[in-house]
Amino acid sequence: AQSVSQHNHHVILSEAASLELGCNYSYGGTVNLFWYVQYPGQHLQLLLKYFSGDPLVKGIKGFEAEFIKSKFSFNLRKPSVQWSDTAEYFCAVNARQGSSNTGKLIFGQGTTLQVKP
Amino acid sequence: DTAVSQTPKYLVTQMGNDKSIKCEQNLGHDTMYWYKQDSKKFLKIMFSYNNKELIINETVPNRFSPKSPDKAHLNLHINSLELGDSAVYFCASGTSGRTIMGELFFGEGSRLTVL
Repeated sequence: AQSVSQHNHHVILSEAASLELGCNYSYGGTVNLFWYVQYPGQHLQLLLKYFSGDPLVKGIKGFEAEFIKSKFSFNLRKPSVQWSDTAEYFCAVNARQGSSNTGKLIFGQGTTLQVKP
Repeated sequence: DTAVSQTPKYLVTQMGNDKSIKCEQNLGHDTMYWYKQDSKKFLKIMFSYNNKELIINETVPNRFSPKSPDKAHLNLHINSLELGDSAVYFCASGTSGRTIMGELFFGEGSRLTVL
C-alpha cells in the first residue's frame, strides 16, 4: 500500500531561521506530490504541487520543494520563516496504478511548525 | 462566498445517536471527498464521489453512509455514533482526471464530539 512519511512531528524555530520539512513516500510508480498547510483553526490550503518537469517547485509565501525521485522524497523548504508560518504542514501523494489516476490523495501524519517571534 | 462549505462546524452528541454533516461546493468540480482527521491530526480518506458516483470507499464501518444528491453536494450520515468517531471531518472537492489529480479544495471541517 502507498504511504507517506513525515519525519518531523514538531518543529520549533525562531523567526528568520531556515526550514526544511522531510517527506518520503513509498510507491514505485508515477506520483503527483503536494504540500498543504493548515493554519490554526482554518482549513487546508495548497502550498505547492509537483506533477512533472522541473523537480524544484515554487509555491506561495516563499515556500519551495524538491522532488528527488531516487530518494522518494519531496522535502519542503523556506529560507527564512516568519511567525505567521506557524501551522500544520501536510505532505500528500496521489498514486497512480499504471497510467491511471487512483483518485486517492494520501497524506502524511503532518508536521507542526511553531515559529517563535 | 465560500468555495467548499460544511455544516455544522461543531457537533456534540451522545453515543448511539445518528447525525449528518452536509457539504456543498460552488467550484464546479466533478469530484468530492470526505476525509477524517483524528486527534493526532492524521488525515485519512473515507469516500470519494465523481459525478454522484461512489468511486472510493475505504475501510469505513457501514455506520457511515455518504450521499451525493448532485455533484455539488456530498453529505455524510453516521448511525449509532461511537466514541471513536470523535474527529474532525473534512469535505473536499477537486477535478480528478484519468491520469492526473488536481488540487483539492477543503472545507473548514466539522468537529464531531461523541460523549
